[in-house]
Amino acid sequence: DAMVIQNPRYQVTQFGKPVTLSCSQTLNHNVMYWYQQKSSQAPKLLFHYYDKDFNNEADTPDNFQSRRPNTSFCFLDIRSPGLGDAAMYLCATSRAGQGTDTQYFGPGTRLTVL
Amino acid sequence: GQNIDQPTEMTATEGAIVQINCTYQTSGFNGLFWYQQHAGEAPTFLSYNVLDGLEEKGRFSSFLSRSKGYSYLLLKELQMKDSASYLCAVTDSNYQLIWGAGTKLIIKP
Repeated sequence: DAMVIQNPRYQVTQFGKPVTLSCSQTLNHNVMYWYQQKSSQAPKLLFHYYDKDFNNEADTPDNFQSRRPNTSFCFLDIRSPGLGDAAMYLCATSRAGQGTDTQYFGPGTRLTVL
Repeated sequence: GQNIDQPTEMTATEGAIVQINCTYQTSGFNGLFWYQQHAGEAPTFLSYNVLDGLEEKGRFSSFLSRSKGYSYLLLKELQMKDSASYLCAVTDSNYQLIWGAGTKLIIKP
C-alpha cells in the first residue's frame, strides 16, 4: 500500500543534542511537509519542499533544518533541541502544493527532550 | 490576521448525532478540509468542501457556507471509535493551509 512512513515513532534526546527525524513516501508525491504539533494545538507548518524547492516558513527557528535528497525521502534536523521543542513531528505529502490538494500524513514522531 | 475557531471539546452519546462547527476568517478562500486525529496519531483526511452545500460520505457529512465563513462536520450513529479530535483547515488566497486547533470529541456509552 502506498503510504507515508516516519522513523522513529518515538525519539528521546538530551537538551542540546542534535537529532534527525526521517520520513519516506511511496505515493510519489511532489510535495513533502514537516509540521510540529503540540498537545491540543493546531499543526504548525515548519517548511515544505516542492520537488527540490525548499520553502521555509517565516517563523520557523533556525534550529530546524531539512533535507530532501530525493523524491521519496525527507529529513528534519533539530540542531540543538530545547525543552520547548518536545512535540509530535508530522510529515505529510501532497500531489501538488496548491493547498487544495489533500495532505497525507505519516504516523508522526513523538520527540521527548530531557 | 487569519483565524479558525472550533469548540475545544464536545461530548456525545454512542448512537447519537453530533455537529462540530468551524468558523473562519482568512484572506481569501480556496477550500476547507476536515481531518480526524486520534490521540497520539496523525491526522487522516475526512472531507473537502470548496462549494456551498452539504457533502455526504457515509456516516459523516460536511457543510459549507462561504458567505458566512462557516462549516460543520456532522457525525451520525456515533461509535466509540469516533472519539478523536476533528481538525478544520482552510486554504487561503495564497493557497496556504490554515489549521484550527481541533475539537476533541468524547463519546460516552
